[in-house]
Amino acid sequence: GNSVTQMEGPVTLSEEAFLTINCTYTATGYPSLFWYVQYPGEGLQLLLKATKADDKGSNKGFEATYRKETTSFHLEKGSVQVSDSAVYFCALFSGSARQLTFGSGTQLTVLP
Amino acid sequence: AAGVIQSPRHLIKEKRETATLKCYPIPRHDTVYWYQQGPGQDPQFLISFYEKMQSDKGSIPDRFSAQQFSDYHSELNMSSLELGDSALYFCASSLGGWSSYEQYFGPGTRLTVT
Repeated sequence: GNSVTQMEGPVTLSEEAFLTINCTYTATGYPSLFWYVQYPGEGLQLLLKATKADDKGSNKGFEATYRKETTSFHLEKGSVQVSDSAVYFCALFSGSARQLTFGSGTQLTVLP
Repeated sequence: AAGVIQSPRHLIKEKRETATLKCYPIPRHDTVYWYQQGPGQDPQFLISFYEKMQSDKGSIPDRFSAQQFSDYHSELNMSSLELGDSALYFCASSLGGWSSYEQYFGPGTRLTVT
């Protein structure tokens, strides 16, 4: 079956530090990959997506590249802000499973 | 832009009671998904509907049922509630059934069972 493995948290960084959250996946076929963000007490917001190998998703300074050869979709941001503090979920959608499969989530805290 | 609407936002029930959660998808979206997120957990897929027909079932207990109505809104009915049902329940919608991978999530309904 499909699965997503995420870097365990929590992650604590200082403002303007570089962020990497690792995500690898196992899936049949060619899944689409996503990063969702969940702010405290709120729902899931789509942060970025990639639908095929070598695609790069980007939004709000965050980036992730779909690497088929390493089955990875690592999230990066060059300079984090306090407002980026949230839980980040890596997820995949496979046409065969027809549902989103989420990783365990990574809590990010950015200190001023 | 219109988003997915869920009601109620918060719900407190006692053990063995029933609960009904409602989801109103983005206009013209024809596919609805339900997910359950326990405390500190990742969201788990429960069930989905496409064009008012149940499509897939995930880890949904037999005590739960759901349906999608003619206006595409969906309801999740939960009976004989247990303490372990306390969770955040998300609804998501998309357009185009399984050809559309991009799901838009509602704010969730927080269910507390006491």
